[in-house]
Amino acid sequence: DTEVTQTPKHLVMGMTNKKSLKCEQHMGHRAMYWYKQKAKKPPELMFVYSYEKLSINESVPSRFSPECPNSSLLNLHLHALQPEDSALYLCASSQGLQVGGSDTQYFGPGTRLTVL
Amino acid sequence: QQQVKQSPQSLIVQKGGISIINCAYENTAFDYFPWYQQFPGKGPALLIAIRPDVSEKKEGRFTISFNKSAKQFSLHIMDSQPGDSATYFCAPGNTDKLIFGTGTRLQVFP
Repeated sequence: DTEVTQTPKHLVMGMTNKKSLKCEQHMGHRAMYWYKQKAKKPPELMFVYSYEKLSINESVPSRFSPECPNSSLLNLHLHALQPEDSALYLCASSQGLQVGGSDTQYFGPGTRLTVL
Repeated sequence: QQQVKQSPQSLIVQKGGISIINCAYENTAFDYFPWYQQFPGKGPALLIAIRPDVSEKKEGRFTISFNKSAKQFSLHIMDSQPGDSATYFCAPGNTDKLIFGTGTRLQVFP
């Protein structure tokens, strides 16, 4: 099973709202990722968690706050977003090899976020 | 050092034809060279990937050719089918980070 699930599928929020995106995998993967994808553009890496610790933060504004409660779950907390933050938010996971090399990232279907 | 250039931006192929997409990178530390396929409204899915110790890998109708000295790799889709119509991304990387190319929109017409 190579499934990464994301909820909700769609989210509409106002600029003053607080909401959260959720991601779950049961493949025993130890690395999890958040990406942002605008229409007709490639995914842009936002955060990487490796063994439940934040290992990469690509200078993302503080209105996006990631959380990794355990090795299967990844959340993205949203607060005071701007209309330009509207995008497809993708979660991915991988085995999280620590001894050199890269391994396959498996993506979820994404959450389509609209900020009004 | 992190730039990844993908070409062409869009590609129209007739059913049964060969689709070829190219990816050029600059970072010599990359050690993983995947191609991802993305359908509208879906997340990217790994199509095929190669490590730098081999020059070619074939899986069914899909082949990666890798040229380490030129810092380029390409995706060949043989016998292209309408169901292959999607956006394709190269995403070379290392450790936990992939750098996605700009994407190629492939349309296969019957």
